[in-house]
Amino acid sequence: TQLLEQSPQFLSIQEGENLTVYCNSSSVFSSLQWYRQEPGEGPVLLVTVVTGGEVKKLKRLTFQFGDARKDSSLHITAAQPGDTGLYLCAGEKAKSSSNYKLTFGKGTLLTVNP
Amino acid sequence: ETGVTQTPRHLVMGMTNKKSLKCEQHLGHNAMYWYKQSAKKPLELMFVYNFKEQTENNSVPSRFSPECPNSSHLFLHLHTLQPEDSALYLCASSLRGGAYEQYFGPGTRLTVT
Repeated sequence: TQLLEQSPQFLSIQEGENLTVYCNSSSVFSSLQWYRQEPGEGPVLLVTVVTGGEVKKLKRLTFQFGDARKDSSLHITAAQPGDTGLYLCAGEKAKSSSNYKLTFGKGTLLTVNP
Repeated sequence: ETGVTQTPRHLVMGMTNKKSLKCEQHLGHNAMYWYKQSAKKPLELMFVYNFKEQTENNSVPSRFSPECPNSSHLFLHLHTLQPEDSALYLCASSLRGGAYEQYFGPGTRLTVT
């Protein structure tokens, strides 16, 4: 069973377009992180959201954490070729009061064509 | 050097070989992780070390053997691997184990022939 479902799996758009990718779960997370991974490299942390309903902006990227802390979205405005990469969400789930575990989704592979 | 480094970046090994992957972090973190990334699968957590002590072994086969001599270095010793073990192996570190943001290395692309 996939704990974190990311959609769409693949997205190919033209430069200048807007897009939204989603990260959904039936589980509640204490926090959720978004990473971008470029070919041949490791994931790079973009943002962490902690509070239900929280919205964070990073230049043209807007991240939202669902009110119930079960889902998140990433919206990119006026996409650029440099935004190309695999976008991963990762949820932090408490196994106990002192032991947390990070669970990753499969990712959305975004290609922005010039 | 800054961040998290991994060597080698690419490795091809036969099923009877023994090899080791190395990870080093220069961030002053106390937790280090090994992940496996295969095509069409989510990142799979393999091992977690917190202050040099192994705190998580995610049911990893014994042909993978981790070693953490100090908080800055992490090794993954490989022996008698199978072709299905071919994947990108990623090392990460965080300030402490658990609810902290993780910083990843570039990975080692492993091919088992």
